[in-house]
Amino acid sequence: EVQLVESGGGLVRPGGSLRLSCAASGFTFNNYAMHWVRQAPGKGLEWVSSMSFIGGSTYYADSVKGRFTISRDSLKKTLHLQMNSLRAEDTAVYYCAKDGSDRPVDYWGQGTLVTVS
Amino acid sequence: DILMTQSPSTLSASVGDRVTITCRASQSISSYLAWYQQKPGKAPKLLIYKASNLQSGVPSRFSGSGSGTEFTLTISNLQPDDFATYYCQQYNSYWWTFGQGTKVEIK
Repeated sequence: EVQLVESGGGLVRPGGSLRLSCAASGFTFNNYAMHWVRQAPGKGLEWVSSMSFIGGSTYYADSVKGRFTISRDSLKKTLHLQMNSLRAEDTAVYYCAKDGSDRPVDYWGQGTLVTVS
Repeated sequence: DILMTQSPSTLSASVGDRVTITCRASQSISSYLAWYQQKPGKAPKLLIYKASNLQSGVPSRFSGSGSGTEFTLTISNLQPDDFATYYCQQYNSYWWTFGQGTKVEIK
C-alpha cells in the first residue's frame, strides 16, 4: 500500500526557515517524480515544486523560487522541502504527492500545516 | 504560466442531477488535464486524467471531455457523496497550474 507521510510543519516567524519531510513507502521511490502542492486556508490548490526521478531535475513555482529547495533521499525514501525566508503568504497545508507517470498525481499525503506569523 | 479558469465557482444542485463544470486553459495543453475532488480537511482525490480517462475506483458517473483549451467534467446522477469542491489541473509541463475550484453545494 502506497503511503506518504508528511512532517515538519508548524508555526514560524516571517523570515524564518522550516524543513518539511515526506516519508514514502509501498512503491519504488526512485522510479517516480515527486511533488509538493500547497493550499492556503480557504483557498485553492497551488503547485509548489517537483523533482524528477532521472537526474534529479527540479522545478519551482515563481512564488517560491530562490527561497525553497526540493530534495530527495533515495536511501531513506524521503522527499524534503527546505523553506527559507518564509512569508505570511506561505501559510498553507503542504501536500506531498507521488507522480503517476501517465497521470500527474496518483497518491497524496495527508498534508502538514505551515503557519508563518 | 498557463492560466486555468473554471466555471462556475459555485454550483447548487440536487441529488440525481447532471452537473457540468468547465475548465479553460489560456493556451493549448493538448489533453494534459486532470480533475480532482476535494472534501474539507482532506487531500484531493484524482478523478480524471488525460482529459477523459477515469481513475481506477472512481464511479462511472464521472466523465471528462475536451482537448486543447476547453474541458468539461460531468457528473451524472449526482450522489450525496459528490458534494465537494472540484479542481482542474493542467500538467502539460512541470509547471502545473490549477483552476480556482468549483464548489458543488446541495440545493
